[in-house]
Amino acid sequence: DVKVTQSSRYLVKRTGEKVFLECVQDMDHENMFWYRQDPGLGLRLIYFSYDVKMKEKGDIPEGYSVSREKKERFSLILESASTNQTSMYLCASSSFWGGLSTTYEQYFGPGTRLTVT
Amino acid sequence: AQSVTQLDSHVSVSEGTPVLLRCNYSSSYSPSLFWYVQHPNKGLQLLLKYTSAATLVKGINGFEAEFKKSETSFHLTKPSAHMSDAAEYFCVVLSTGAASKLTFGTGTRLQVTL
Repeated sequence: DVKVTQSSRYLVKRTGEKVFLECVQDMDHENMFWYRQDPGLGLRLIYFSYDVKMKEKGDIPEGYSVSREKKERFSLILESASTNQTSMYLCASSSFWGGLSTTYEQYFGPGTRLTVT
Repeated sequence: AQSVTQLDSHVSVSEGTPVLLRCNYSSSYSPSLFWYVQHPNKGLQLLLKYTSAATLVKGINGFEAEFKKSETSFHLTKPSAHMSDAAEYFCVVLSTGAASKLTFGTGTRLQVTL
């Protein structure tokens, strides 16, 4: 079974703190993703990476950065946390699509519920 | 750009009655479409996917979805709801390109009552 793990299920931080969310996958997947999930908005893509040290902005990258130093690990960084970053953060991984969409699937971690006070 | 619209934010059905969760897509070419389910306090799980093979797709737990190009729809159905189906459901479209991104709908919360 594919396993995507996230470092914390619940996290409480203060405004202005630097926050690190860690994600690890064990399937040797090329692609990794960070989403945030908010009620009524679905999941929105923050950043993704298709290779080690490669990163691409998603739809809502402002206020976030990422790091991928190893293939299995993808970190989301909030440089200076703000209250509007209180949310559920989901990490996902997938193999390279390569045109064979019949086999494509993203696998999700359990999520980290971050509260910024 | 591809997008999906889930027409209902909340659907309530009685146990044993049919389920219909509606999704419309927008795409300039034949899309790959998915339904994901998220049970309370659990991660997202793939329910089913359409990838331009058969237009009627069967998924897990008795769910199925039909791709209708003429209506740009990909509605999720189940003949008989079970209490365990209560969850949030997301319609999703795959965009092609270097890193195969998914674009999620806003979700439909399914409530199942006795």
